[in-house]
Amino acid sequence: DAGVIQSPRHEVTEMGQEVTLRCKPISGHDYLFWYRQTMMRGLELLIYFNNNVPIDDSGMPEDRFSAKMPNASFSTLKIQPSEPRDSAVYFCASSSGPYNEQFFGPGTRLTVL
Amino acid sequence: AQTVTQSQPEMSVQEAETVTLSCTYDTSESDYYLFWYKQPPSRQMILVIRQEAYKQQNATENRFSVNFQKAAKSFSLKISDSQLGDAAMYFCAYRSADDKIIFGKGTRLHILP
Repeated sequence: DAGVIQSPRHEVTEMGQEVTLRCKPISGHDYLFWYRQTMMRGLELLIYFNNNVPIDDSGMPEDRFSAKMPNASFSTLKIQPSEPRDSAVYFCASSSGPYNEQFFGPGTRLTVL
Repeated sequence: AQTVTQSQPEMSVQEAETVTLSCTYDTSESDYYLFWYKQPPSRQMILVIRQEAYKQQNATENRFSVNFQKAAKSFSLKISDSQLGDAAMYFCAYRSADDKIIFGKGTRLHILP
């Protein structure tokens, strides 16, 4: 298996633009997690899905952030409009079961100018 | 490739006592970051403590401290005066210079009243 796949690896955009981050979990995994990592706050869980259904989105910072999982093999995290304080590395992870090991993707480094 | 190993799947400690969670890692890099995260049942990842590899001084945050042995590639977490709220999964994590993050499999900590 190729592991968790995220795209793009790097994204540079201007304030106010829409940003869409993509994730393909490991086949057969039924949990998918979106994290944001900054040096100040560490790794923050934004939202997670079970069988494509959002379970907990309490970590989503504000309404500018939205996430979808239309099927078991694809998820998106969208920021609209983006702001400079959204600059961070965004990780997607998947697992089989709620407390099993999470496998992380390589992350997307987002820079909002 | 970097690896992170937590050799203790579960541990128990009496309330008010001290417990040490072990973590070893393997890397050929000289510049990196190490983290301990706490994951309570809410699934949120809470940053407990971080250590920059170039700093020789062990990081400390209130009741939490680390024993960072760079040459031995060891990064253990000591929790003093354990409290019931410390019960959780604890993950050791390594972050490389290119932002790749690797988690250990976790140690489930039980606090005995």
